[in-house]
Amino acid sequence: GQQLNQSPQSMFIQEGEDVSMNCTSSSIFNTWLWYKQDPGEGPVLLIALYKAGELTSNGRLTAQFGITRKDSFLNISASIPSDVGIYFCAGQDDTGANSKLTFGKGITLSVRP
Amino acid sequence: SAVISQKPSRDICQRGTSLTIQCQVDSQVTMMFWYRQQPGQSLTLIATANQGSEATYESGFVIDKFPISRPNLTFSTLTVSNLSPEDSSIYLCSVGLDYNSPLHFGNGTRLTVT
Repeated sequence: GQQLNQSPQSMFIQEGEDVSMNCTSSSIFNTWLWYKQDPGEGPVLLIALYKAGELTSNGRLTAQFGITRKDSFLNISASIPSDVGIYFCAGQDDTGANSKLTFGKGITLSVRP
Repeated sequence: SAVISQKPSRDICQRGTSLTIQCQVDSQVTMMFWYRQQPGQSLTLIATANQGSEATYESGFVIDKFPISRPNLTFSTLTVSNLSPEDSSIYLCSVGLDYNSPLHFGNGTRLTVT
């Protein structure tokens, strides 16, 4: 089946630093999504990407849909303590909610004040 | 985006019993899904909740263990039956407002089976 690879499993950064997370796949996806999950809560959608090469920003977050459609990255600039959480990438075969999401295993981000 | 309410937020259940989880959305949505997140793991799709018909289950999940109802476009339930400790997980409701919308998640139900 399709798999999404996120590594490393954990990242530790200093407050104010930028951080970049990658997500790679062995197969093509037509939609890439990035979610953040805080403890005790469900994943919250950060950014959705629908076109190869697309670069989209949401505040301090920037994500790109790779040209090969097999990868995506998420950048967080000027990190703050509330950026702590688990970041999941997810891919869909087709645009739209009727297509199943495949999730990566997530990256746990820690921010040292 | 829609407001998704899941109940209960957490529960501790005994082995052999069942738990029914409710998902209520504040607006009509086209798609509703149920996911499982085992401790420290990623999210795995259990099934698609189809309005007015039987749910569509993913490989490894069966209706007898995870019966699902979706009587209308704003509400669904997931029952986890004949509980065992291996069922201890977070169960998440997810919705798509329409076919072109990304999925949004409820806050989940944290189930512990003793």
